[in-house]
Amino acid sequence: AQSVTQLGSHVSVSEGALVLLRCNYSSSVPPYLFWYVQYPNQGLQLLLKYTTGATLVKGINGFEAEFKKSETSFHLTKPSAHMSDAAEYFCAVYPRDYKLSFGAGTTVTVRA
Amino acid sequence: DTGVSQDPRHKITKRGQNVTFRCDPISEHNRLYWYRQTLGQGPEFLTYFQNEAQLEKSRLLSDRFSAERPKGSFSTLEIQRTEQGDSAMYLCASSHRDSDPETQYFGPGTRLLVL
Repeated sequence: AQSVTQLGSHVSVSEGALVLLRCNYSSSVPPYLFWYVQYPNQGLQLLLKYTTGATLVKGINGFEAEFKKSETSFHLTKPSAHMSDAAEYFCAVYPRDYKLSFGAGTTVTVRA
Repeated sequence: DTGVSQDPRHKITKRGQNVTFRCDPISEHNRLYWYRQTLGQGPEFLTYFQNEAQLEKSRLLSDRFSAERPKGSFSTLEIQRTEQGDSAMYLCASSHRDSDPETQYFGPGTRLLVL
C-alpha cells in the first residue's frame, strides 16, 4: 500500500521568504513522486516529478524538491516566495501502476 | 497540445437527477483517468481507461456511477440518482502509456453541487 502525508494543511510566508512544504510517503516499491499546484477553481498543474536519477529535481516557477529515500521524504522548496505562489499544493506518489495517490494538500498564503 | 478539457465546468443539480460530464484528453494520450476531489482533500482515484477499455474501478465508484470511453478518445462520467454526497470536483487526466505513462495531465475539472 502507498500513502502520502503532507505536514501542515496551511503555510503562511512573507513575500521573498523561503517556502518549505513537507511531504512524506510510504510505498511498497520505489515510487515515482510528484508535486502539483492547484489555483482556485482550476485543475492540477504539474510542478515537478522524481522518477529515477538525480535526487534534487527542479521544476517550474523556481520550485525544487529533493528525494530522500532514507527519510521517505520529498519536500518542496522555493527560495523566495512571490504573491503568485499563493495556491494549494499536492504531493503525490505513483507506485509504478496506473493511479496517483495524493496527500491532503497544503494551502500557501503569501503576505505582502 | 491544447490540454485536457472538461465540460461543463460547473453543474448544479437537484438530488435524484442524473448528470453527465465529458472529458477530452490530450490528443494521442491513450490513458484517461477520473478522480474526485472533495473540499479540503486531495484527489481520489475513481477509474481509468487504456484506449477504450476500462481497466480499473475504485470502490468509490458505486453502481450509480458509470464511465465510458467508446472510441478511445473522449470519455463521459455519468452519475445517476445524484445524492448530496456526490458534491465534489470531478477531475479528468490523461497520459501517454508508451512515452510518459507516469505523468498525468489534468483538466480544469467539473464542479458538481447537488442540492
